[in-house]
Amino acid sequence: DTGVSQDPRHKITKRGQNVTFRCDPISEHNRLYWYRQTLGQGPEFLTYFQNEAQLEKSRLLSDRFSAERPKGSFSTLEIQRTEQGDSAMYLCASSLAEAGRGYEQYFGPGTRLTVT
Amino acid sequence: AQSVTQPDIHITVSEGASLELRCNYSYGATPYLFWYVQSPGQGLQLLLKYFSGDTLVQGIKGFEAEFKRSQSSFNLRKPSVHWSDAAEYFCAVGTFSGGYNKLIFGAGTRLAVHP
Repeated sequence: DTGVSQDPRHKITKRGQNVTFRCDPISEHNRLYWYRQTLGQGPEFLTYFQNEAQLEKSRLLSDRFSAERPKGSFSTLEIQRTEQGDSAMYLCASSLAEAGRGYEQYFGPGTRLTVT
Repeated sequence: AQSVTQPDIHITVSEGASLELRCNYSYGATPYLFWYVQSPGQGLQLLLKYFSGDTLVQGIKGFEAEFKRSQSSFNLRKPSVHWSDAAEYFCAVGTFSGGYNKLIFGAGTRLAVHP
């Protein structure tokens, strides 16, 4: 069990550029979540996948944001035309959908995005 | 609407002193409750969880938490704090809907430990 990994750990981009983040969940986990954490706040839910299906998107996820999870393995989160307000830590988590075990989410180290 | 309140933004304790971090939640059904810890620049590590059963739950690193339904609280405690416990602590409620568990977090409590 190598844990949830995210890449890159840090990203600095200029306003208007597109960025893409990757998340590799724990290998047997079929549920994957994206959260966003701004300075001084707790993480806020963005979206959720069960296997390759994206089942819920938060209102925080504007149409500039898109997430995918091809083949139900790793996931990518893309932000188009970045804005300074997108600066945040983007956290990925995964969990196993199994009776009595489907409720613990394990988080990756996050990708810190700075938009200049 | 579901919510989590952590009333203390910042707490400072001396090493060896006891600790209690407060958490109040608002949720219509039986909650799934969690405490996570976040060190600077890091992701979240699960300290402990409550799903059902015994209302006093034990976690890692010597932490425990008590679920009190009547007070809608899930306070985190540690009898003797170590300098390495300095971090930010987040309480979360799992909103189990549609067959999965979306977490709603409080704003966090930053813990400083004096030697």
